[in-house]
Amino acid sequence: GEDVEQSLFLSVREGDSSVINCTYTDSSSTYLYWYKQEPGAGLQLLTYIFSNMDMKQDQRLTVLLNKKDKHLSLRIADTQTGDSAIYFCAEPAGNQFYFGTGTSLTVIP
Amino acid sequence: NAGVMQNPRHLVRRRGQEARLRCSPMKGHSHVYWYRQLPEEGLKFMVYLQKENIIDESGMPKERFSAEFPKEGPSILRIQQVVRGDSAAYFCASSLTSGSSPYEQYFGPGTRLTVT
Repeated sequence: GEDVEQSLFLSVREGDSSVINCTYTDSSSTYLYWYKQEPGAGLQLLTYIFSNMDMKQDQRLTVLLNKKDKHLSLRIADTQTGDSAIYFCAEPAGNQFYFGTGTSLTVIP
Repeated sequence: NAGVMQNPRHLVRRRGQEARLRCSPMKGHSHVYWYRQLPEEGLKFMVYLQKENIIDESGMPKERFSAEFPKEGPSILRIQQVVRGDSAAYFCASSLTSGSSPYEQYFGPGTRLTVT
């Protein structure tokens, strides 16, 4: 199966930017996704990027894709305490999504 | 439009009992996926179903686990003779379409199974 990797933890101060990184293995993926999981809840789609794009911006979220290095990142500008959650990158392959292990973001007031 | 519904939210079973997890997809969605999340791990795909058909069960353990999505009613993930290692959060997702175009899998809140 595909291998999607993320660092496990990230702490930032409120108001700073957060950058969450992800590496993936399948270069044929047409789209790559970012999901957010709040405590005790399911996953919520945050954004996705088409593999032909280098960057996508959506309000406070910026997704960067380096297809050559198979590296995906999610930048959250002006991080708020409500952004504290686990963030998963996901790569579709066939009928399923392959998820990373998730990065737990803690925002310090 | 209600989201993906799962019940129960929490389920406690003793070793050897059966666990039945239910998932009602979003209205109009005919594609259902089940994932398992072990503690401090990402989600792992288990099975993909359309109405009355199992399309891909490559992530399902060969024994004790089964899934169905009948013509009427919710999708059911059934675990027979549960063991402690089955303790996990089980998430259901549904989608309107499937395949290579961007499609969103909408996730339910999950069922947290604890085997004692």
